[in-house]
Amino acid sequence: AQTVTQSQPEMSVQEAETVTLSCTYDTSESDYYLFWYKQPPSRQMILVIRQEAYKQQNATENRFSVNFQKAAKSFSLKISDSQLGDAAMYFCAYRSPYTGANSKLTFGKGITLSVRP
Amino acid sequence: EAQVTQNPRYLITVTGKKLTVTCSQNMNHEYMSWYRQDPGLGLRQIYYSMNVEVTDKGDVPEGYKVSRKEKRNFPLILESPSPNQTSLYFCASSTRTGASYEQYFGPGTRLTVT
Repeated sequence: AQTVTQSQPEMSVQEAETVTLSCTYDTSESDYYLFWYKQPPSRQMILVIRQEAYKQQNATENRFSVNFQKAAKSFSLKISDSQLGDAAMYFCAYRSPYTGANSKLTFGKGITLSVRP
Repeated sequence: EAQVTQNPRYLITVTGKKLTVTCSQNMNHEYMSWYRQDPGLGLRQIYYSMNVEVTDKGDVPEGYKVSRKEKRNFPLILESPSPNQTSLYFCASSTRTGASYEQYFGPGTRLTVT
C-alpha cells in the first residue's frame, strides 16, 4: 500500500518570502499522480497543483511550483511571494492509476502554514 | 456552477441516533467517495462508488453505510453513531476520464457525536 508522509506539522513564512513544504511518499508503482491540496479555515479542499509521475518537468501554477524527485520519492511544494491568503493547511496526496474502480486519494497528515505580515 | 454539495454542514447528535449526511454533485460524475478527516491523520477514505448501484469499502468503513440509487447522489448513513465517529466528513466526485481524474470536494460536514 502507498503511504504519504508530511513530517513537518507546522511552518511559518514572512509575507512576500518563499516557503517550501515537504512531502515524501512510498510506492512500488512506476506511474501515479501527486497532488497538493490547500484547506483554508473555511475547510474547503482546494486543488493547488498536480504532477503526473511520467512527466519529468515540474508542474507550476502561478506562484506555486513543485520539486518532483521521482527517484527520491519526494514531492515538495514551493510557494513564492507568500501572501496572507496562503495561510492554510496543506495536504500532499497520491493517487494510483492501478486501483481499478477506486480512484482514491491517499493523503498525508497535513502541514499548517502560517504567514506573518 | 459545477459543485458538490453536502448537508448538513454542521451536526451535533447523540450516540445511537441514526443520521444521514447527503451528498450531491451536478457534474454527471461516475465516481463518488466519502472521506473523513481527523487531526493528525489526514483524510481517509470511507466508501466509494464507481456508478449507480456499485459501491465498495474504503479504508475505514466500519460503522458506515452508503447507497447510490441515483448518479448525482451518494448519501452517507450512520445507523448507530458513536463518539469515535466525531469527525469532519468530505464527499468527493470525479469523472472516469481525464489523465488525472481530478476530484472535486464538497464543503465538508462537521459531525459531533456525544
